[in-house]
Amino acid sequence: QVQLQESGPGLVKPSETLSLNCSVSGRSISSSGYYWSWIRQVPGKGLEWIGYMYYTGSSYYNPSLKSRVAISVDTSQNHLSLTLNSVTASDTAVYYCARGGGLNPFDIWGQGTMVTVSS
Amino acid sequence: VLTQSPGTLSLSPGERATLSCRASQSVASAYLAWYQQKPGQSLRLLIHSTSTRATGVPDRFSGSGSGTDFTLTISRLEPEDFAVYYCQQYGNSPPITFGQGTRLEI
Repeated sequence: QVQLQESGPGLVKPSETLSLNCSVSGRSISSSGYYWSWIRQVPGKGLEWIGYMYYTGSSYYNPSLKSRVAISVDTSQNHLSLTLNSVTASDTAVYYCARGGGLNPFDIWGQGTMVTVSS
Repeated sequence: VLTQSPGTLSLSPGERATLSCRASQSVASAYLAWYQQKPGQSLRLLIHSTSTRATGVPDRFSGSGSGTDFTLTISRLEPEDFAVYYCQQYGNSPPITFGQGTRLEI
């Protein structure tokens, strides 16, 4: 049974870098054919796809965030990472990792981690 | 852009719910999914590829549609079905996009 668990600081200062990890259990993150994504949700608002990484290492990002975001995979730790630079209050959200992307739905989600951007 | 309607749907257990999702352009190859989110919880995949139920999803949930108009139908509402529902397209990506959600309330 595949499970995802996000972790990271709950508070980030404006202009700094947000860094989150997503620990994957039950399957190797480098398993053939799988995409792994980050998605965020402003509390009480809608969902925004941030980007995904394919098991080959190729990554694709939302154009609205592309200049500030990077997704990487650590196969030794079996986790997915997200970095978002130059954060502002508008980056305050619940951040989810999920399995899916490309032409695949998001079939497994983590519980999400709340990140607040504030001084 | 995906536009869901209505924003809020008020129904009673046992009734039929019909949720709409309209796309601003045709969704490639019907790559349209529906998700359920309960308060304080993560999302659960219900339907993918317009009409295919995800593993473990009860058959009272069904999806239909094509092109720019898609529908999620819940045939007979159970108390646990009251939640927020999102549609998502993943055929015209990147970017992957979501609708703004429909709140289904008792």
